[in-house]
Amino acid sequence: GENVEQHPSTLSVQEGDSAVIKCTYSDSASNYFPWYKQELGKRPQLIIDIRSNVGEKKDQRIAVTLNKTAKHFSLHITETQPEDSAVYFCAASRYGGSQGNLIFGKGTKLSVKP
Amino acid sequence: NAGVTQTPKFQVLKTGQSMTLQCAQDMNHNSMYWYRQDPGMGLRLIYYSASEGTTDKGEVPNGYNVSRLNKREFSLRLESAAPSQTSVYFCASSEAPGGNQPQHFGDGTRLSIL
Repeated sequence: GENVEQHPSTLSVQEGDSAVIKCTYSDSASNYFPWYKQELGKRPQLIIDIRSNVGEKKDQRIAVTLNKTAKHFSLHITETQPEDSAVYFCAASRYGGSQGNLIFGKGTKLSVKP
Repeated sequence: NAGVTQTPKFQVLKTGQSMTLQCAQDMNHNSMYWYRQDPGMGLRLIYYSASEGTTDKGEVPNGYNVSRLNKREFSLRLESAAPSQTSVYFCASSEAPGGNQPQHFGDGTRLSIL
């Protein structure tokens, strides 16, 4: 089955710097890669997702890149702000029945220092 | 529009007690999921329901049962609670099954078993 590894487990940056979180996946058939942000004590919320037919997607200060050959994808946050502090989870899945459920990485705790 | 609603928000049980966690969504989604979240472990799928009338095991189903009561509601039951089931439980829903659709999460149930 699918396995998703996420690095680093913790990341501390200064306000205004960029942050990059990387994930690798094992199933070459995976074709959907969402990223979730979870603030302390809150629900995970989808912030951006990418499908395998796209190499990069941007939404304001957030971008995700996908390298299908290397089986890894990354979240990029530019001009970080204190409100970006949270735990970020990547996930991967592929379409189809019982094989198609999301498999999550173990999370990255991002701290943005003012 | 409440999205995904979970009850209760907090619960303390004694070992061996039983209880049912409730989840309801008002987005007319077909698929629903139950996850558990433990420190450093990310989100792990317990059970899912691809559509009304169907349920299937996820990664960590032992000790749990589920019922898809109708299209809106998906409950999770602990028949004989054990301390290892102390966790935060999240319900989620998506428009379609197969894992390659955005999932929307509820606020979670924080469950402690003594």
